[in-house]
Amino acid sequence: QQPVQSPQAVILREGEDAVINCSSSKALYSVHWYRQKHGEAPVFLMILLKGGEQKGHEKISASFNEKKQQSSLYLTASQLSYSGTYFCGTETGANSKLTFGKGITLSVRP
Amino acid sequence: DAGVTQSPTHLIKTRGQHVTLRCSPISGHKSVSWYQQVLGQGPQFIFQYYEKEERGRGNFPDRFSARQFPNYSSELNVNALLLGDSALYLCASSRTHRDRVLTYEQYFGPGTRLTVT
Repeated sequence: QQPVQSPQAVILREGEDAVINCSSSKALYSVHWYRQKHGEAPVFLMILLKGGEQKGHEKISASFNEKKQQSSLYLTASQLSYSGTYFCGTETGANSKLTFGKGITLSVRP
Repeated sequence: DAGVTQSPTHLIKTRGQHVTLRCSPISGHKSVSWYQQVLGQGPQFIFQYYEKEERGRGNFPDRFSARQFPNYSSELNVNALLLGDSALYLCASSRTHRDRVLTYEQYFGPGTRLTVT
């Protein structure tokens, strides 16, 4: 089952904050966040594992609510380089299969 | 260190033909996953291989097959190509924790753009 990402699109000015959400209809084992710029490969941002362990970049934070089967990615003091499409990938069980959402387009303007 | 490499970069095939896509993982990575990405969508999981064994398969027809070699490189094969197979095919490699692949981040290659006419 594909996770649902919201909002569909985000437009920001440099320095503003944004929250991107990812929700699943199934219990989550892990949530992975990636950013993809046009014509490029997805780039790793964050992994959140069941039980609370997180791995990711210093300037990006995320939360993982196992009960609500949701994850949120927090982008603070946005920079122009944050522009791109953000995908969450969910693992529903220890089956090593990531299911990605449709992605959210985020645009940061000067 | 070199990242994940994929070949070819672009490919144009005719309906009914066969295609082989290749992927070399980052040195030390034993797991390779394949994804299909159509325009405007997220990557869709096709296969995952770890230590030359298939560990996962997505909802793709049997026309899609893959294998992993002793040097951990991988091939994705697609037979009897359809117009709907036109997409960007991404390969990703990762480390593993014991045999758990998704404990670590996946590094994606630049992809192979396949066009079926």
